[in-house]
Amino acid sequence: GAGVSQSPSNKVTEKGKDVELRCDPISGHTALYWYRQRLGQGLEFLIYFQGNSAPDKSGLPSDRFSAERTGESVSTLTIQRTQQEDSAVYLCASSVHSGTYVQETQYFGPGTRLLVL
Amino acid sequence: KQEVTQIPAALSVPEGENLVLNCSFTDSAIYNLQWFRQDPGKGLTSLLLIQSSQREQTSGRLNASLDKSSGRSTLYIAASQPGDSATYLCAVSTNAGKSTFGDGTTLTVKP
Repeated sequence: GAGVSQSPSNKVTEKGKDVELRCDPISGHTALYWYRQRLGQGLEFLIYFQGNSAPDKSGLPSDRFSAERTGESVSTLTIQRTQQEDSAVYLCASSVHSGTYVQETQYFGPGTRLLVL
Repeated sequence: KQEVTQIPAALSVPEGENLVLNCSFTDSAIYNLQWFRQDPGKGLTSLLLIQSSQREQTSGRLNASLDKSSGRSTLYIAASQPGDSATYLCAVSTNAGKSTFGDGTTLTVKP
Protein backbone atom coordinates (compact mmCIF):
# COMPACT_ATOMS: atom_id res chain seq x y z
CA GLY A 1 0.00 0.00 0.00
CA ALA A 2 0.97 3.66 -0.22
CA GLY A 3 3.32 4.98 2.39
CA VAL A 4 3.70 8.45 3.85
CA SER A 5 4.28 11.02 1.14
CA GLN A 6 5.69 14.52 1.45
CA SER A 7 5.90 17.43 -0.92
CA PRO A 8 7.86 19.14 -2.17
CA SER A 9 10.88 16.87 -1.96
CA ASN A 10 13.18 19.89 -2.15
CA LYS A 11 12.56 23.56 -1.53
CA VAL A 12 14.93 26.48 -1.95
CA THR A 13 13.70 29.81 -0.69
CA GLU A 14 15.01 33.23 0.18
CA LYS A 15 15.35 34.45 3.72
CA GLY A 16 12.16 36.13 4.88
CA LYS A 17 9.79 34.20 2.61
CA ASP A 18 7.09 31.86 3.89
CA VAL A 19 7.10 28.16 3.01
CA GLU A 20 4.47 25.46 3.28
CA LEU A 21 5.34 21.77 3.52
CA ARG A 22 2.81 19.02 3.00
CA CYS A 23 2.44 15.54 4.45
CA ASP A 24 0.00 12.81 3.39
CA PRO A 25 -0.08 10.09 6.04
CA ILE A 26 -0.93 6.45 5.54
CA SER A 27 -4.68 6.02 5.26
CA GLY A 28 -6.22 5.08 8.59
CA HIS A 29 -3.33 6.37 10.69
CA THR A 30 -4.73 8.66 13.33
CA ALA A 31 -1.41 9.95 14.63
CA LEU A 32 0.87 12.29 12.66
CA TYR A 33 4.25 13.72 13.64
CA TRP A 34 6.56 16.39 12.27
CA TYR A 35 10.30 16.34 12.94
CA ARG A 36 13.25 18.45 11.86
CA GLN A 37 16.68 17.00 11.12
CA ARG A 38 19.62 19.32 10.74
CA LEU A 39 22.68 18.10 8.86
CA GLY A 40 24.51 15.42 10.80
CA GLN A 41 22.09 15.51 13.71
CA GLY A 42 19.28 13.41 15.07
CA LEU A 43 15.59 14.15 14.73
CA GLU A 44 14.05 17.03 16.63
CA PHE A 45 10.36 16.67 17.54
CA LEU A 46 8.19 19.56 16.33
CA ILE A 47 4.50 18.69 16.67
CA TYR A 48 2.18 15.73 17.14
CA PHE A 49 -1.47 15.28 16.07
CA GLN A 50 -3.68 12.51 17.38
CA GLY A 51 -7.22 12.27 16.04
CA ASN A 52 -9.36 15.18 17.17
CA SER A 53 -7.29 15.90 20.28
CA ALA A 54 -5.45 19.17 20.70
CA PRO A 55 -2.03 18.84 19.07
CA ASP A 56 1.16 18.71 21.12
CA LYS A 57 3.02 21.78 19.87
CA SER A 58 5.73 21.68 22.51
CA GLY A 59 8.52 21.13 20.00
CA LEU A 60 7.85 24.09 17.73
CA PRO A 61 10.97 26.28 17.98
CA SER A 62 9.29 29.64 17.54
CA ASP A 63 5.99 31.29 16.67
CA ARG A 64 7.12 31.41 13.05
CA PHE A 65 6.31 27.70 12.90
CA SER A 66 2.76 26.39 12.74
CA ALA A 67 1.04 23.23 11.58
CA GLU A 68 -2.46 22.15 10.73
CA ARG A 69 -4.12 18.87 10.04
CA THR A 70 -7.41 18.31 8.27
CA GLY A 71 -9.24 15.60 10.17
CA GLU A 72 -7.13 12.47 10.03
CA SER A 73 -5.57 13.19 6.66
CA VAL A 74 -3.18 15.70 5.16
CA SER A 75 -1.07 18.02 7.31
CA THR A 76 0.78 21.21 6.41
CA LEU A 77 3.74 22.70 8.23
CA THR A 78 4.16 26.42 7.64
CA ILE A 79 7.30 28.40 8.36
CA GLN A 80 6.87 32.15 8.18
CA ARG A 81 9.69 34.63 7.55
CA THR A 82 12.21 31.85 7.03
CA GLN A 83 15.70 32.18 8.45
CA GLN A 84 18.89 30.44 7.38
CA GLU A 85 18.84 28.32 10.54
CA ASP A 86 15.56 26.81 9.34
CA SER A 87 17.50 24.94 6.66
CA ALA A 88 17.02 21.24 7.40
CA VAL A 89 15.16 18.13 6.34
CA TYR A 90 11.59 18.14 7.60
CA LEU A 91 10.26 14.65 8.17
CA CYS A 92 6.70 13.55 8.67
CA ALA A 93 5.60 10.25 10.20
CA SER A 94 2.27 8.59 10.89
CA SER A 95 1.16 5.73 13.09
CA VAL A 96 -1.85 3.86 14.33
CA HIS A 97 -2.87 4.56 17.90
CA SER A 98 -4.64 2.13 20.15
CA GLY A 99 -7.25 3.32 22.63
CA THR A 100 -4.73 3.03 25.44
CA TYR A 101 -2.46 5.64 23.86
CA VAL A 102 0.32 3.14 23.35
CA GLN A 103 2.20 4.41 20.38
CA GLU A 104 2.63 2.05 17.50
CA THR A 105 5.37 1.92 14.91
CA GLN A 106 6.02 5.24 13.19
CA TYR A 107 6.23 5.18 9.41
CA PHE A 108 8.25 8.00 7.89
CA GLY A 109 7.98 9.90 4.66
CA PRO A 110 11.07 10.71 2.56
CA GLY A 111 11.25 14.25 3.91
CA THR A 112 11.38 17.75 2.45
CA ARG A 113 14.84 19.26 2.15
CA LEU A 114 14.56 22.97 2.84
CA LEU A 115 17.36 25.37 2.00
CA VAL A 116 17.02 29.01 3.02
CA LEU A 117 19.43 31.30 1.21
CA LYS B 1 13.45 16.52 29.90
CA GLN B 2 14.18 13.23 28.18
CA GLU B 3 17.64 12.90 26.69
CA VAL B 4 18.76 10.04 24.46
CA THR B 5 22.41 9.20 23.87
CA GLN B 6 23.81 6.77 21.36
CA ILE B 7 27.28 5.32 21.58
CA PRO B 8 29.38 5.02 19.54
CA ALA B 9 28.69 7.85 17.08
CA ALA B 10 30.37 5.86 14.34
CA LEU B 11 31.45 2.26 13.92
CA SER B 12 33.33 0.44 11.19
CA VAL B 13 33.50 -3.35 11.12
CA PRO B 14 34.49 -6.06 8.63
CA GLU B 15 31.76 -8.08 6.99
CA GLY B 16 30.55 -11.04 9.03
CA GLU B 17 31.23 -9.52 12.43
CA ASN B 18 28.58 -9.38 15.15
CA LEU B 19 28.09 -5.93 16.67
CA VAL B 20 26.19 -4.04 19.34
CA LEU B 21 24.84 -0.50 19.21
CA ASN B 22 23.97 1.24 22.45
CA CYS B 23 21.22 3.65 23.41
CA SER B 24 20.68 5.24 26.81
CA PHE B 25 17.88 7.50 28.04
CA THR B 26 17.53 9.63 31.14
CA ASP B 27 13.83 9.25 32.00
CA SER B 28 12.73 5.65 32.46
CA ALA B 29 9.01 6.58 32.24
CA ILE B 30 8.70 5.54 28.62
CA TYR B 31 5.99 3.68 26.75
CA ASN B 32 8.14 2.22 24.07
CA LEU B 33 11.50 2.36 22.37
CA GLN B 34 12.04 2.10 18.65
CA TRP B 35 15.11 1.45 16.53
CA PHE B 36 15.25 2.95 13.05
CA ARG B 37 17.59 2.77 10.12
CA GLN B 38 18.33 5.82 7.96
CA ASP B 39 20.07 5.59 4.62
CA PRO B 40 21.77 8.70 3.19
CA GLY B 41 19.28 11.16 1.75
CA LYS B 42 16.31 9.05 2.70
CA GLY B 43 13.68 8.84 5.41
CA LEU B 44 13.67 6.45 8.34
CA THR B 45 12.74 2.79 8.27
CA SER B 46 11.47 1.18 11.45
CA LEU B 47 13.45 -1.89 12.48
CA LEU B 48 12.11 -2.93 15.86
CA LEU B 49 9.69 -1.54 18.44
CA ILE B 50 9.85 -2.66 22.07
CA GLN B 51 6.94 -1.85 24.37
CA SER B 52 7.89 -0.78 27.91
CA SER B 53 6.61 -4.10 29.27
CA GLN B 54 8.86 -6.11 26.96
CA ARG B 55 12.53 -7.03 27.36
CA GLU B 56 13.47 -7.73 23.77
CA GLN B 57 12.35 -8.03 20.18
CA THR B 58 13.89 -9.98 17.33
CA SER B 59 13.66 -9.63 13.58
CA GLY B 60 15.94 -11.75 11.42
CA ARG B 61 19.55 -10.90 12.26
CA LEU B 62 18.49 -8.05 14.56
CA ASN B 63 17.81 -8.28 18.26
CA ALA B 64 16.90 -5.31 20.43
CA SER B 65 16.83 -5.39 24.21
CA LEU B 66 15.35 -2.97 26.70
CA ASP B 67 16.26 -2.44 30.35
CA LYS B 68 13.86 0.31 31.32
CA SER B 69 15.00 0.62 34.92
CA SER B 70 18.58 1.36 33.92
CA GLY B 71 17.59 3.43 30.91
CA ARG B 72 19.39 1.32 28.34
CA SER B 73 18.72 -0.45 25.08
CA THR B 74 21.00 -2.36 22.75
CA LEU B 75 20.64 -3.31 19.10
CA TYR B 76 22.52 -6.48 18.24
CA ILE B 77 23.29 -7.16 14.59
CA ALA B 78 24.49 -10.67 13.79
CA ALA B 79 26.71 -11.57 10.85
CA SER B 80 26.89 -8.01 9.52
CA GLN B 81 26.70 -7.36 5.77
CA PRO B 82 27.73 -4.34 3.65
CA GLY B 83 24.02 -3.69 3.09
CA ASP B 84 23.68 -3.01 6.82
CA SER B 85 25.72 0.17 6.37
CA ALA B 86 23.49 3.04 7.47
CA THR B 87 22.78 5.32 10.42
CA TYR B 88 20.87 3.65 13.23
CA LEU B 89 18.62 5.82 15.37
CA CYS B 90 17.05 5.05 18.71
CA ALA B 91 13.85 6.82 19.82
CA VAL B 92 11.89 6.70 23.07
CA SER B 93 8.25 7.68 23.33
CA THR B 94 5.97 8.89 26.11
CA ASN B 95 2.27 8.26 26.39
CA ALA B 96 1.70 11.70 24.88
CA GLY B 97 3.11 10.48 21.60
CA LYS B 98 6.18 12.69 21.68
CA SER B 99 9.34 10.87 20.62
CA THR B 100 12.88 11.80 21.57
CA PHE B 101 15.61 10.64 19.21
CA GLY B 102 19.29 10.05 19.72
CA ASP B 103 21.81 11.45 17.25
CA GLY B 104 22.42 8.00 15.80
CA THR B 105 25.29 5.60 15.19
CA THR B 106 26.71 5.54 11.67
CA LEU B 107 27.66 1.98 10.79
CA THR B 108 30.01 1.01 7.97
CA VAL B 109 30.40 -2.67 7.14
CA LYS B 110 33.42 -3.29 4.94
CA PRO B 111 33.31 -6.11 2.38
